[in-house]
This record gives sequence, structure tokens and C-alpha cells, in this order.
Amino acid sequence: DSGVTQTPKHLITATGQRVTLRCSPRSGDLSVYWYQQSLDQGLQFLIQYYNGEERAKGNILERFSAQQFPDLHSELNLSSLELGDSALYFCASKGSSETQYFGPGTRLLVL
Amino acid sequence: AQSVTQLDSHVSVSEGTPVLLRCNYSSSYSPSLFWYVQHPNKGLQLLLKYTSAATLVKGINGFEAEFKKSETSFHLTKPSAHMSDAAEYFCVVSRADSNYKLTFGKGTLLTVNP
Repeated sequence: DSGVTQTPKHLITATGQRVTLRCSPRSGDLSVYWYQQSLDQGLQFLIQYYNGEERAKGNILERFSAQQFPDLHSELNLSSLELGDSALYFCASKGSSETQYFGPGTRLLVL
Repeated sequence: AQSVTQLDSHVSVSEGTPVLLRCNYSSSYSPSLFWYVQHPNKGLQLLLKYTSAATLVKGINGFEAEFKKSETSFHLTKPSAHMSDAAEYFCVVSRADSNYKLTFGKGTLLTVNP
């Protein structure tokens, strides 16, 4: 158990809908990273937050957004969903070392 | 820019034989390198990491990797494969000047035959 939690574990929704994925980092970790794992693109970095502020952006679509709250949990919002957004979404938390600890992921299926 | 190339998409070994998963990296700055493992329908677990200390790094479950700067390689090895090692393995690079975002290789699927 990495200490990082993600909810929900599974999500099934329809095209055009909006969903919110939630991540709680390990106790004391200030950084949260979001990654997407899909069959065609592999594992890709989406976005990073540190202590409530956005710090880095990767290949994140404009339809996607994220935020980190004062209690350090983070949410990834995916809107106007398309079939191609079906993927496994991971969050990872990082403390003072270089190591990122991953949550169990949220599997999103868009029908 | 940073990138990782895993040279084999699939490696198959027999139980009890050595494992070698190959990884080459590209980074214009001193990188940190990691190996993560993903078992079916599970999350990503850290196996080991290199962060500019000893070049031979020991990880969990008997795995180790050697950082070779001259060859820009970070191959993962294990002397004797176990059935429970069957999983997908990712070589990963990160750098301090890119906020430590992780860049993943495409993964190597390890199959262990009885």
C-alpha cells in the first residue's frame, strides 16, 4: 500500500459527459502528479500541483483541468468526454525525495 | 528533453533463469532513473531508483540495476525469475529542472514460464 488513495476505482460514463477523479496524497506530501495510461499512448504525464499551485503541465487536453485543495487532495476534471479518453488515470504523490508513489488508479470507460 | 527507450516489448524466461530487461535513456542533465512494476489490474510499484549515488542499485524482490553513464543504460536484472515476477516493467526518467515529472518507457512485458 503506497498510502495514496484514488476514488472511484472504476467509472463508466457516456460521451459528452463530465467526471471528477479524486486523489489523496500520502500524509505530508505536498506534490501531486496526474498521469494517463492508455493502450496507444502509454503512460503520459498530465499535470502537477505543489501545495495548491500548478507547477507543470504535460500533454493535458484543454477539456481537462485539475486543482489541489488546502487539505492537499487533488481532483482531475474531465469534460466533454470522448471515446478516446477511456484510460487508466493515476495520481502520484511526492515528498522531499525524488520518488513518486502511485495510487491504485481510476479506470475510466467512456461509452 | 528526456526520453527512455525500452529495447524489448516482451521478454519470456523460464522460472529459475536470469532476467534482463534493457533500458536506454536520453537526458541533457543528470537524471534520476527508476524501474516501476505493474501487475495485471494493479497500480505502479517502485522497484528501485538511481539518484546519483551508487551506480549499482538494489531494489525489492531481488531485482537490481546498474547505471552506466557511458552507455546511457539502466538495465534491470534478477538472478532467478519467479512466477510472481510476471508483470509489466517500466523504465522511467525524471529531472529536477522539469519538476520531477516522470517520463515513461513503453514498458516490457515479462512472462515467466514454469
